[in-house]
Amino acid sequence: GNSVTQMEGPVTLSEEAFLTINCTYTATGYPSLFWYVQYPGEGLQLLLKATKADDKGSNKGFEATYRKETTSFHLEKGSVQVSDSAVYFCALSDRRSSASKIIFGSGTRLSIRP
Amino acid sequence: EPEVTQTPSHQVTQMGQEVILRCVPISNHLYFYWYRQILGQKVEFLVSFYNNEISEKSEIFDDQFSVERPDGSNFTLKIRSTKLEDSAMYFCASSDSGRDLAKNIQYFGAGTRLSVL
Repeated sequence: GNSVTQMEGPVTLSEEAFLTINCTYTATGYPSLFWYVQYPGEGLQLLLKATKADDKGSNKGFEATYRKETTSFHLEKGSVQVSDSAVYFCALSDRRSSASKIIFGSGTRLSIRP
Repeated sequence: EPEVTQTPSHQVTQMGQEVILRCVPISNHLYFYWYRQILGQKVEFLVSFYNNEISEKSEIFDDQFSVERPDGSNFTLKIRSTKLEDSAMYFCASSDSGRDLAKNIQYFGAGTRLSVL
């Protein structure tokens, strides 16, 4: 079945460091790919998405490119801030289901030191 | 900005009791979902709901679970007889389209933490 695998955390970086969180997926067909973020005490928020191969999603300085050849959707940010501390979830949407459920990775906790 | 609201934020119950978790989806959305996250584990899909019926459900969503949209605004998840292993964070989500993936952004609530003692 469809699945998402992302790098385990926690990840701890200093402010202004470069961030990469790896994500790979297994899916039949052409899923849509997402990164969700969960700030402390809050719900899941969509950070960015890509719906087809080579699409790049971007938001708040974060980017991820849909790579079909490597089945990957790695999250990157050039210079992280303390406010980026959160849990990040890679996810895919199964187009075959009528209501397109989302399948999540296990989440990566990111902590940024001032 | 419109948001999905869930109540209560934390529910404590005794094993065997019934619980109802409540959600108010975004008002013009048509698709509704429940997910859960057991502590330290992945967020898992439970059920999707459209046009007053279940569209899809996972293996987790057995006869102990039910969903309902009792009026035009609320969407509820009922667990008839809670077990210890039902302890988890339950997330409600809504979207305004299913197959049109350009529109199928699911908006999540902050979650209800269910603790079964």
